Amino acid sequence: AQSVAQPEDQVNVAEGNPLTVKCTYSVSGNPYLFWYVQYPNRGLQFLLKYITGDNLVKGSYGFEAEFNKSQTSFHLKKPSALVSDSALYFCAVSPRNDYKLSFGAGTTVTVRA
Amino acid sequence: DTGVSQDPRHKITKRGQNVTFRCDPISEHNRLYWYRQTLGQGPEFLTYFQNEAQLEKSRLLSDRFSAERPKGSFSTLEIQRTEQGDSAMYLCASSADSGGDTDTQYFGPGTRLTVL
Repeated sequence: AQSVAQPEDQVNVAEGNPLTVKCTYSVSGNPYLFWYVQYPNRGLQFLLKYITGDNLVKGSYGFEAEFNKSQTSFHLKKPSALVSDSALYFCAVSPRNDYKLSFGAGTTVTVRA
Repeated sequence: DTGVSQDPRHKITKRGQNVTFRCDPISEHNRLYWYRQTLGQGPEFLTYFQNEAQLEKSRLLSDRFSAERPKGSFSTLEIQRTEQGDSAMYLCASSADSGGDTDTQYFGPGTRLTVL
């Protein structure tokens, strides 16, 4: 069975500072890894994914994530955070060729002006 | 807007009543998924359709829950004899089964169910 851990319930950063949201996973075989963002009373919005290839994945709104197989991690990063990045972020994993996503509990990001 | 749509967005019901939710996937997507999200948690997988065929159901989907996708387009999720523990956000997602983006699930806005 696959699982995802997001060790930080909350991340607080000042606008303009780097933002990192951590994610580690457990899955049999090679994983598919995803990041989604959720704004209040909204569904999940896709940010980026790792399927294969380059370990550094670039996504929407200036976000990127690095797949680290040895550490089983897929941390989300943004070099310069904006107040509008304040939201709930979810990491998700599925085994290759299995469409069922397993999500972490989420990390609330607050970017202060 | 050609994204995933869900109806209703909010539903308040009394314990013991039946409720039905609808999901309209992105038009060219053959795969459709239902997830449930409770407060403070990430979404949990409930069930998955490939066209009209329901291919997998989670053990979370008790006998009171039933999902259908009769024509391979929209889907419905029905909960019979609702319980307070059913209160949650019910999310629908869809994905393509061909082309270059078959791995990404796109989510709708969700239906928030409150059982009194």
